[in-house]
Amino acid sequence: NAGVTQTPKFQVLKTGQSMTLQCAQDMNHEYMSWYRQDPGMGLRLIHYSVGAGITDQGEVPNGYNVSRSTTEDFPLRLLSAAPSQTSVYFCASSYRDPPGESPLHFGNGTRLTVT
Amino acid sequence: AQSVTQLGSHVSVSEGALVLLRCNYSSSVPPYLFWYVQYPNQGLQLLLKYTTGATLVKGINGFEAEFKKSETSFHLTKPSAHMSDAAEYFCAATYSSASKIIFGSGTRLSIRP
Repeated sequence: NAGVTQTPKFQVLKTGQSMTLQCAQDMNHEYMSWYRQDPGMGLRLIHYSVGAGITDQGEVPNGYNVSRSTTEDFPLRLLSAAPSQTSVYFCASSYRDPPGESPLHFGNGTRLTVT
Repeated sequence: AQSVTQLGSHVSVSEGALVLLRCNYSSSVPPYLFWYVQYPNQGLQLLLKYTTGATLVKGINGFEAEFKKSETSFHLTKPSAHMSDAAEYFCAATYSSASKIIFGSGTRLSIRP
């Protein structure tokens, strides 16, 4: 089983460039989310989706856009990268909406550096 | 606002010693509670979860956690640490009607030979 697949694994951007982090899951999960992980700050929620066509903001949404056109895919777009967006990004999905007692399944992360 | 607090960003124990990682949540309503583990350069994996019922929850790799409503705590323990337990551990909480899962800041566990 593939689970949650994130691409790319590593990326270096220059300030002002744009890019899309890809996330796909093959478990037919309704709930998908994006987190960023920074040292000493744990995981902070960027955006989440409770189903195709439905997205909402998390704790730190500024500078990021998302869309959910299919159940499987949940890409995260950086429109104009800034050094403050240097981080490790995780996509996670869950069977239920809302997740409740259903645990999150995580991808292996994308390590992004913005210079 | 609801929050999850993990006491100690770094815990170091000797191999074979007791592991105790602390987690407290802030809510008068008991949430669903989780412990996740993250090995280097990997995503998070579920260790165990508390939903309802028995307050002592057993997870994988010999870990267990006890839900104490009176103390709003969900501490993670393992009787005897193994070198392979070295990782970062995250406590998380969510609520039945909420779409947001709240994570603690994480505790890095080191094991001394």
